[in-house]
Amino acid sequence: GDSVTQMEGPVTLSEEAFLTINCTYTATGYPSLFWYVQYPGEGLQLLLKATKADDKGSNKGFEATYRKETTSFHLEKGSVQVSDSAVYFCALSEGDTGKLIFGQGTTLQVKP
Amino acid sequence: DAGVIQSPRHEVTEMGQEVTLRCKPISGHDYLFWYRQTMMRGLELLIYFNNNVPIDDSGMPEDRFSAKMPNASFSTLKIQPSEPRDSAVYFCASSFSVMNTEAFFGQGTRLTVV
Repeated sequence: GDSVTQMEGPVTLSEEAFLTINCTYTATGYPSLFWYVQYPGEGLQLLLKATKADDKGSNKGFEATYRKETTSFHLEKGSVQVSDSAVYFCALSEGDTGKLIFGQGTTLQVKP
Repeated sequence: DAGVIQSPRHEVTEMGQEVTLRCKPISGHDYLFWYRQTMMRGLELLIYFNNNVPIDDSGMPEDRFSAKMPNASFSTLKIQPSEPRDSAVYFCASSFSVMNTEAFFGQGTRLTVV
């Protein structure tokens, strides 16, 4: 079945450092891809999404590009802040079933 | 809309007791998902519904787990009997049936079975 794999965390960075969190997927169809963020004690919130190949999702300085040839959707941010500390989840939505599948999550800790 | 509403936010129960978690999806959404989150296993999809009908319950761990959606505005996840290894945060999420739309999550229910 379809699946999502993320780089293992935790990822610890200093403020203003560059962030990359890797995400690759396996899918039989043409899924949509998402990044969700979870702050401590809260539910997941959508950060950005891309619905077809070569689409770039962006929000709050974060970006990710849907790469069909490498089946990847890596999350990047040029300059992280302490407030970005959270758990980040990559996910895909199966186009024909609506099923939403998540990766295992990557914890990001940004130090001042 | 108030978003996806889950209750209770916290539940502590003794092993062997029945536990019922509740979810009210966003009005108009016709997909509803139940997830379980633990440190060891991450975020697992337990079951999801489309138009109140269970579509895929392959993630439900055991027969002790059951889920219902009697109408478009309410769903329950029941564990009977509960065990300490069921301790986790349980999330409910809902989305539109239109393809490629995001899912909205509730705040979760933190279940502790002692």
